[in-house]
Amino acid sequence: DTAVSQTPKYLVTQMGNDKSIKCEQNLGHDTMYWYKQDSKKFLKIMFSYNNKELIINETVPNRFSPKSPDKAHLNLHINSLELGDSAVYFCASSQEGESYNEQFFGPGTRLTVL
Amino acid sequence: SQKIEQNSEALNIQEGKTATLTCNYTNYSPAYLQWYRQDPGRGPVFLLLIRENEKEKRKERLKVTFDTTLKQSLFHITASQPADSATYLCALDATDKLIFGTGTRLQVFP
Repeated sequence: DTAVSQTPKYLVTQMGNDKSIKCEQNLGHDTMYWYKQDSKKFLKIMFSYNNKELIINETVPNRFSPKSPDKAHLNLHINSLELGDSAVYFCASSQEGESYNEQFFGPGTRLTVL
Repeated sequence: SQKIEQNSEALNIQEGKTATLTCNYTNYSPAYLQWYRQDPGRGPVFLLLIRENEKEKRKERLKVTFDTTLKQSLFHITASQPADSATYLCALDATDKLIFGTGTRLQVFP
């Protein structure tokens, strides 16, 4: 059984478009995250949600809007896509939001903006 | 400024040897440090966590040390195998989130 799943796996789109990435975890975790991994493989946190509440909102353009309909899902909507948004986006979850909890990552969504 | 650095972009070693990866940090005081493995095209996978009051942690062929004075963690893989080839990321506790290092790519050749 897949613990953390993301769709789509690949996303190729034109500049200026709006797109969404979906994430689901079946681990019963309370906290979910979105990370961005750039071309240099640097993994940086964007958002975290605990029980559908926004906990962390790093310095991310407000074109990025996370939405958590329930604690098992955390979606990422991106408006007006730019070339610099091209990256791999990872969803993750953990039992609680404490940093001693191990995080379980999804397989990633490779976003390419043309 | 805060910084996490992992040694060299790639580390090549021969099968059977011990691989040692380093994670150095500045201007952080983490209570915990985690290590993850990432294979190409996949998400990171948790390996080990070590607390600031622990000097060493072991799991099978893996060993992690944590020196808060040197601000450094070492990650060792003994009797390395080609299947250990991957990128290894350290991650520091920064109160309510993890800050990841840049990763070290390990290549174990037969």
